[in-house]
Amino acid sequence: EAGVAQSPRYKIIEKRQSVAFWCNPISGHATLYWYQQILGQGPKLLIQFQNNGVVDDSQLPKDRFSAERLKGVDSTLKIQPAKLEDSAVYLCASSSWGGRYYGYTFGSGTRLTVV
Amino acid sequence: AQTVTQSQPEMSVQEAETVTLSCTYDTSENNYYLFWYKQPPSRQMILVIRQEAYKQQNATENRFSVNFQKAAKSFSLKISDSQLGDTAMYFCAFEETSGSRLTFGEGTQLTVNP
Repeated sequence: EAGVAQSPRYKIIEKRQSVAFWCNPISGHATLYWYQQILGQGPKLLIQFQNNGVVDDSQLPKDRFSAERLKGVDSTLKIQPAKLEDSAVYLCASSSWGGRYYGYTFGSGTRLTVV
Repeated sequence: AQTVTQSQPEMSVQEAETVTLSCTYDTSENNYYLFWYKQPPSRQMILVIRQEAYKQQNATENRFSVNFQKAAKSFSLKISDSQLGDTAMYFCAFEETSGSRLTFGEGTQLTVNP
């Protein structure tokens, strides 16, 4: 089966600019996650969707980050305006209901550099 | 809040030898899942092994096995017969309840030397 697709693979922007990342999960996976991985740290959950509804966005900086999952399939994560500390890898993952049983599948991420 | 701690930022091992990566976690729950993920330079997280907290038997997947000590909240990964392809960042992760987030540790960079 095809994996989780993410684009772009790399992005360099100046601070205060906006940027968007795209994720296409595995077909049929109802749950979609966006993680932020700062260099040298483990991934941290930003937002979790179940179909097209938000399950957990408690760690999403809502003043600058937004995410949507239209029609319960693809998802877009946006940052506006970007700050230097947003430099990180943004990972998308998906799972069937009950990821602990069926596994989580991760994409290869987008590496964002804010200068 | 649950936390996951990996106290070894870097480790190295000779090819064909055995290495153990440490992980401790904190939770008040009784039923949860623990995972080890591998992240090579390609950045994609790859599941290595998973352990269900209610199972006393330690999980094993080929050369990979865990030592799960529930009372001590410890979950270490043992890699036997290390191979050059095992070189990667290894993350310990914890899922407290079904459908909740994965909480990751800070990672251990493992280097397998020829």
